[in-house]
Amino acid sequence: QVQLVESGGGKVQPGTSLTLSCAVSGFTLSNNNLHWVRQAPGKGLEWVAVISDDGIDEYYTDSVRGRFTISRDNSTNTLYLHMSSLRAEDTALYYCARDVDDEGVFDVWGQGTTVTVSS
Amino acid sequence: QSVLTQPPSVSGAPGQRVTISCTGSSSNIGAVFNVHWYQQFPGTAPKLLIFANNNRPSGVPDRFSGSKSGTSASLAITGLQAEDEADYYCQSLDSSLSGWVFGGGTKLTVL
Repeated sequence: QVQLVESGGGKVQPGTSLTLSCAVSGFTLSNNNLHWVRQAPGKGLEWVAVISDDGIDEYYTDSVRGRFTISRDNSTNTLYLHMSSLRAEDTALYYCARDVDDEGVFDVWGQGTTVTVSS
Repeated sequence: QSVLTQPPSVSGAPGQRVTISCTGSSSNIGAVFNVHWYQQFPGTAPKLLIFANNNRPSGVPDRFSGSKSGTSASLAITGLQAEDEADYYCQSLDSSLSGWVFGGGTKLTVL
């Protein structure tokens, strides 16, 4: 069964760092690009970042570029999102998602992990 | 302000047909990039509903269909059912942003 399970969320103070994890099972991680998508409370979906299947290419939405880093460990089937200099506007439910054809078709999603940035 | 514009809400009676529009620009939908649609129920993760403009994943009823023309795309739902009440999001790639973009989402209410 193909499954993505996020973890690592929590409540943190502005300016601090946090790393999210996404454990993958049921498919070979190295076959797919992987994404992080977030959803602020009561708001819509926002694409955050993508990492290529081989881990070489990374792209970010403008608001997180330079603060967030996406990475993957294909040997442990885990995707990561390291978030630094966190701001209140980063408060959201963070989903990891599998890109089925490397063209942005997100066919499998995790259940999400909540990040709250507040003093 | 989302790059892709959707109506905040649409509604219809059971059995009716509703459409949800998604308007973009020449750097995303109009730039031959595909449009995908997702369905999201409260408290759950989004689910892929339509991919590559007009294709349904296995298990999605044929009551759901997608289309794309120029800088816009549409999701149509025929034979509306109470269980279709959810939020719907369009998504595409944007060349000027070097990343993917979602519409602001449309809340479908079944009257």
